[in-house]
Amino acid sequence: NAGVMQNPRHLVRRRGQEARLRCSPMKGHSHVYWYRQLPEEGLKFMVYLQKENIIDESGMPKERFSAEFPKEGPSILRIQQVVRGDSAAYFCASSDREGSGNTIYFGEGSWLTVV
Amino acid sequence: DQQVKQNSPSLSVQEGRISILNCDYTNSMFDYFLWYKKYPAEGPTFLISISSIKDKNEDGRFTVFLNKSAKHLSLHIVPSQPGDSAVYFCAAWMEYGNKLVFGAGTILRVKS
Repeated sequence: NAGVMQNPRHLVRRRGQEARLRCSPMKGHSHVYWYRQLPEEGLKFMVYLQKENIIDESGMPKERFSAEFPKEGPSILRIQQVVRGDSAAYFCASSDREGSGNTIYFGEGSWLTVV
Repeated sequence: DQQVKQNSPSLSVQEGRISILNCDYTNSMFDYFLWYKKYPAEGPTFLISISSIKDKNEDGRFTVFLNKSAKHLSLHIVPSQPGDSAVYFCAAWMEYGNKLVFGAGTILRVKS
């Protein structure tokens, strides 16, 4: 499967725990984007990363959320001390270049449920 | 502030007929537009795109029209099939931008 791979597909966490979502981009892609879809809402941009660099994190909540895309391995979206409002679908996308004129390809998503 | 708007939450169409999904945007700096389709519990799938230097792009049953002066684009699906039933998202890149901005989506139901 050469597509964007996300895991876990479903994750249940208790309030106060940490959630780690992983994303492996498509082969040959070095640009990764994270989006969140809250219930009954559209896709909201969170962060854009290239290898070892956060390029744009304007959509990330200021606290508890962090993202990384190391030189080796998948991109990680980390949510510390989760709250019920973090329950959402988190989608990762990747592309082979940056900026406009670009098509980004999405993974199947990770569904986080906070109980 | 919603810069990309899909004002119709849902649309119902008979199989074989045309489906027209609409999208409006407010920022004239958007210069590239995409449509994605999404089934429940799956990720969005890219459908078709259009650059702001064009007014039409066609791919099989899917055609996207862009009216820059009206800041409006539409996706036409002809003929509509039951398998087209999904949520359709309009998305836009800003010139020199780092992120794709999405509309809220339109649920399309194609009845057989």
